[in-house]
Amino acid sequence: DAKTTQPPSMDCAEGRAANLPCNHSTISGNEYVYWYRQIHSQGPQYIIHGLKNNETNEMASLIITEDRKSSTLILPHATLRDTAVYYCIVRNSGGSNYKLTFGKGTLLTVNP
Amino acid sequence: GAVVSQHPSRVICKSGTSVKIECRSLDFQATTMFWYRQFPKQSLMLMATSNEGSKATYEQGVEKDKFLINHASLTLSTLTVTSAHPEDSSFYICSVLTRGDNQPQHFGDGTRLSIL
Repeated sequence: DAKTTQPPSMDCAEGRAANLPCNHSTISGNEYVYWYRQIHSQGPQYIIHGLKNNETNEMASLIITEDRKSSTLILPHATLRDTAVYYCIVRNSGGSNYKLTFGKGTLLTVNP
Repeated sequence: GAVVSQHPSRVICKSGTSVKIECRSLDFQATTMFWYRQFPKQSLMLMATSNEGSKATYEQGVEKDKFLINHASLTLSTLTVTSAHPEDSSFYICSVLTRGDNQPQHFGDGTRLSIL
């Protein structure tokens, strides 16, 4: 699976949009971009995933660049409960390789 | 609601004890589950892939005789840490692979294991 690069930490004001970047310049054509987050002392929580089109759900939006070498996770109105480590993971689709390889992620701190 | 149930949430026991952790898929049948371990201030590391009805696949460096995995049904996988020692103290997390290509994994809330 392709490697991802994320900033180690970011801050965001409560109520503002949080934009978390991820670089995945070696992504291949059949690899999806997944985002998870982990609140302290809990298991990771699935947020969103996409291949090449932008995606939106009740939690967040995922913007993938046209060349697919980077993406941005957007939390439109961050709350204090969104403080967590956010992981961007590229994973092969189909076949037998469903493993997720977690990097260090981005620690997002939402400030009041 | 929760998709994956992991039990117990916390275990404290003496060195040499064997500890069993359960991972249950609540909403669907799961032929594949995963077990991860996370040390303080580190990221999750995959330990093994648990396949229903067959032997688990372990990642390099993970001792299969120490971390016994049993995936006896489509909704339950167990991880047994045998003869646990203080260095086995960690946060153990399971995940369930939902059916269909490109579908996400869903994680349990983890088990905090502390070996005295």
